[in-house]
Amino acid sequence: GDSVTQMEGPVTLSEEAFLTINCTYTATGYPSLFWYVQYPGEGLQLLLKATKADDKGSNKGFEATYRKETTSFHLEKGSVQVSDSAVYFCACAGGGNKLTFGTGTQLKVEL
Amino acid sequence: KAGVTQTPRYLIKTRGQQVTLSCSPISGHRSVSWYQQTPGQGLQFLFEYFSETQRNKGNFPGRFSGRQFSNSRSEMNVSTLELGDSALYLCASSLNPWDRQETQYFGPGTRLLVL
Repeated sequence: GDSVTQMEGPVTLSEEAFLTINCTYTATGYPSLFWYVQYPGEGLQLLLKATKADDKGSNKGFEATYRKETTSFHLEKGSVQVSDSAVYFCACAGGGNKLTFGTGTQLKVEL
Repeated sequence: KAGVTQTPRYLIKTRGQQVTLSCSPISGHRSVSWYQQTPGQGLQFLFEYFSETQRNKGNFPGRFSGRQFSNSRSEMNVSTLELGDSALYLCASSLNPWDRQETQYFGPGTRLLVL
């Protein structure tokens, strides 16, 4: 079945630092890839997605590019803010509606 | 447009009891999926419903069941609760369950504590 591996957290950064959270996937066919974010006490919010190779998803300064050759979908942001502190989940949809998630990466941004 | 709503938000039960959780999808969405989130196992797919039919099921014991009504609202039931069932249960809705590009929109979750 599908699987997603993302870097372990927690990740602690200073405000305005550059962020990278690595994500690799294993899936048959051509999955869609997603990044979701979860703030404390809340459900998951879609951050961005990409549906085919070389697509770049972007939202709120976050970006991720669908790299089929390396089966990766790394999340990046050029300058993080304290308000970005949350848990980030990489996910893939290999067929239909079933999402397979990574273990989540907790991000803490300090002043 | 209102988002996905889940009730109740918090629930405390004791071992051996059963529980029913409810999910109302975004208006017009006919596909509803359920996920369990725990610190140890992360986010795991439970099942998916479309047009009152279960389309897909994850690797959970038969104590976990669900259903969907004609208005697309869904319920999940857990019988004979165990301590390990303590988790955040998330519901997600989408328009088209056959399209892998489709975005699933999540509710706030129901946090279940089993004592």
